[in-house]
Amino acid sequence: DTEVTQTPKHLVMGMTNKKSLKCEQHMGHRAMYWYKQKAKKPPELMFVYSYEKLSINESVPSRFSPECPNSSLLNLHLHALQPEDSALYLCASSQAAGSTDTQYFGPGTRLTVL
Amino acid sequence: GESVGLHLPTLSVQEGDNSIINCAYSNSASDYFIWYKQESGKGPQFIIDIRSNMDKRQGQRVTVLLNKTVKHLSLQIAATQPGDSAVYFCAGRGSTLGRLYFGRGTQLTVWP
Repeated sequence: DTEVTQTPKHLVMGMTNKKSLKCEQHMGHRAMYWYKQKAKKPPELMFVYSYEKLSINESVPSRFSPECPNSSLLNLHLHALQPEDSALYLCASSQAAGSTDTQYFGPGTRLTVL
Repeated sequence: GESVGLHLPTLSVQEGDNSIINCAYSNSASDYFIWYKQESGKGPQFIIDIRSNMDKRQGQRVTVLLNKTVKHLSLQIAATQPGDSAVYFCAGRGSTLGRLYFGRGTQLTVWP
């Protein structure tokens, strides 16, 4: 089973709202990732968690706040977003953050900021 | 810097024909490459991978070729079907653990 699940599928929020995106995997993977994808573009890395510790933050604005409560769960807390943050947010996981560890992606959350 | 690029943004093929999607990379240190398929409204789906100590790997109807001399990667899809219509991304593993470098994507359209 190589399934990564994400909730919600779609989210519409105003610029003053606070919301969270959730990601879960039960493959025993120890690395989890958040990506942002705009239409017709490749995914852009935002954050990497390795063994539940943040190992990469790609200079993402503080209005995006990641959290890894345990090895199976990854959250992305959203606050005071801008319309340009509207995108598909993808979660991925891999066995570890090693050089040949395949990343498996979830279906994504389609976020619209009004 | 490290980058992965694609030669063509779109590719149209007739059902039953073979498809070839190409990709170039710049970092000689990249030791692992992956092809993903992304259908509209879905997340990228792993298709096949290859390590730098190989030059060819085959899966079901797909073959990946790696030419390290010219830093070129290709995905071949045999007997292309309408269900193969999607955007295909190549990605290379860089020197920073956990980081994948994605190409821009090729939109494959299969027509009957």
